[in-house]
Amino acid sequence: QQQVRQSPQSLTVWEGETAILNCSYENSAFDYFPWYQQFPGEGPALLIAIRSVSDKKEDGRFTIFFNKREKKLSLHITDSQPGDSATYFCAASPNTNKVVFGTGTRLQVLP
Amino acid sequence: ETAVFQTPNYHVTQVGNEVSFNCKQTLGHDTMYWYKQDSKKLLKIMFSYNNKQLIVNETVPRRFSPQSSDKAHLNLRIKSVEPEDSAVYLCASSYGGGERLFFGHGTKLSVL
Repeated sequence: QQQVRQSPQSLTVWEGETAILNCSYENSAFDYFPWYQQFPGEGPALLIAIRSVSDKKEDGRFTIFFNKREKKLSLHITDSQPGDSATYFCAASPNTNKVVFGTGTRLQVLP
Repeated sequence: ETAVFQTPNYHVTQVGNEVSFNCKQTLGHDTMYWYKQDSKKLLKIMFSYNNKQLIVNETVPRRFSPQSSDKAHLNLRIKSVEPEDSAVYLCASSYGGGERLFFGHGTKLSVL
């Protein structure tokens, strides 16, 4: 049973466009939602995170929008760059010892 | 900058063999983890170790066993590999509860 789901599975955008990656979860106890970025041949790295008390978190070109009522969140990447091409994982945890990763979205940014 | 080091990068072996993967972190973290990433990129936690105590084991087959000599090292041994063990094994570390995980580059295992 996949507790954290992501869509789309893959996404292609042109350089300069906004990429929108979606995430949903089932467990109401989840209160911390990190997003990880993974390049080929490397391990995932923390990109940005949000707690359930907030509905928005921004860091440069990356913004998380969070809807607690609908158990949904999204990662928006504005002015997408070819260097943003990677797999993005939404994750969730009720306490930080049990991080559950989503299925991932593979993003390709074309120049 | 890589601070979680895994060896080897790749390993090819045959069904039934024993393999061992090494992981070392230089961040001074007190918790280390092993994750399995399959061909579809799904990430599943296998083990976590905090102060030499196993605190999470997510229904992993018994042929898998973590081995830790100190809080900076967490190795993974697979006693008798099977074809479904082919995957990338990622080591990670964190401080405290794991709010931020630092991953190594992974060890890709291919079982023939």
